[in-house]
Amino acid sequence: GIQVEQSPPDLILQEGANSTLRCNFSDSVNNLQWFHQNPWGQLINLFYIPSGTKQNGRLSATTVATERYSLLYISSSQTTDSGVYFCAVGAGEYGNKLVFGAGTILRVKS
Amino acid sequence: DAGITQSPRYKITETGRQVTLMCHQTWSHSYMFWYRQDLGHGLRLIYYSAAADITDKGEVPDGYVVSRSKTENFPLTLESATRSQTSVYFCASSGSIGGLNTGELFFGEGSRLTVL
Repeated sequence: GIQVEQSPPDLILQEGANSTLRCNFSDSVNNLQWFHQNPWGQLINLFYIPSGTKQNGRLSATTVATERYSLLYISSSQTTDSGVYFCAVGAGEYGNKLVFGAGTILRVKS
Repeated sequence: DAGITQSPRYKITETGRQVTLMCHQTWSHSYMFWYRQDLGHGLRLIYYSAAADITDKGEVPDGYVVSRSKTENFPLTLESATRSQTSVYFCASSGSIGGLNTGELFFGEGSRLTVL
């Protein structure tokens, strides 16, 4: 099956700093999503982005499907950005069956 | 309120008991999913359903049973709970057009299950 690797595994930022999270995947995909799990455990969908670039406020994401990676950019980080960021991918006929990466733990300090 | 809700949010049970986790969504999404989240294993798919009366196994289905008689409900049953099934369980749903998944996955708040 598809392998998903996220980097870095851990990241500590000072409030106001920018960061880039990376997601590499081992095969062609037709579904790629980024999620944020907040410290209370809620999983929030950030982007559905199997290809191209999207932006939502301070967050943006880019997927280069041909090179099998996606990037999540967080600008001007805030303490509320803390949590775990997951990349999940799906492929082929069962593209809706997402495989999750191990996540990047982000801590933003004030 | 519209959305996806899980119940119970917290459950403690004993080994060998049957437990059912409920999931209800109000979006009329075709696809529904059950994931479990464990330290060191991330999120793993247990079962999913493409529509009412259509279910299929995910990565870790052993020990679980699902049904989907109505589009809005997707209960997960542990027929004889084991300690290894202690976990946080997330239900999720996504929409479709013409049978094709439209992509975005939305999660419930999770059900924390402890098996003693």
